Amino acid sequence: DAKTTQPPSMDCAEGRAANLPCNHSTISGNEYVYWYRQIHSQGPQYIIHGLKNNETNEMASLIITEDRKSSTLILPHATLRDTAVYYCIVRVVNFGNEKLTFGTGTRLTIIP
Amino acid sequence: DVKVTQSSRYLVKRTGEKVFLECVQDMDHENMFWYRQDPGLGLRLIYFSYDVKMKEKGDIPEGYSVSREKKERFSLILESASTNQTSMYLCASTLQQGGEPQHFGDGTRLSIL
Repeated sequence: DAKTTQPPSMDCAEGRAANLPCNHSTISGNEYVYWYRQIHSQGPQYIIHGLKNNETNEMASLIITEDRKSSTLILPHATLRDTAVYYCIVRVVNFGNEKLTFGTGTRLTIIP
Repeated sequence: DVKVTQSSRYLVKRTGEKVFLECVQDMDHENMFWYRQDPGLGLRLIYFSYDVKMKEKGDIPEGYSVSREKKERFSLILESASTNQTSMYLCASTLQQGGEPQHFGDGTRLSIL
């Protein structure tokens, strides 16, 4: 799996957009970018994933640069419940039996 | 929405007991996983299963076994619990298809006294 680099912590004001960056300069052509988050004492929650194109779902948007060496997760209107550790992962997924490995992630704190 | 349900959020057991952790998913996923998560060690894969009655060892299978009698249910068994198995246990599932993400349950925080 390609290595990712994320800032260790970020703050965002409630109601504003939270933009979480991730660098993955060694990503391979067949590796996806996944984002998960983990709220204290709960299981990791899948947010979004993408290969080349930008993606949007009900939780967030994922912007992947054209060279795929970095990406940004956008939470459009952050709430206090978005306070969590956010993990960016890049990996090949062929048949779904590949284990998941989390790095240290970004601790996002939403400020009232 | 995918739903992965773990039978207990918190569990306290004694050393030497046989412990069962249950996991059920409702999305007809072929693959299911058991991880443990410890501070500073991240996620570590214990076992996974890609089909009914099929299992594969992960990185740390010692002291554990698993059972998958039905597609939707994957059980983790601590044969004789020890204090070093105190941890957060996480079950996940996914489709057997390229690119699909793993979905996790809420976790079981197990304490062995």
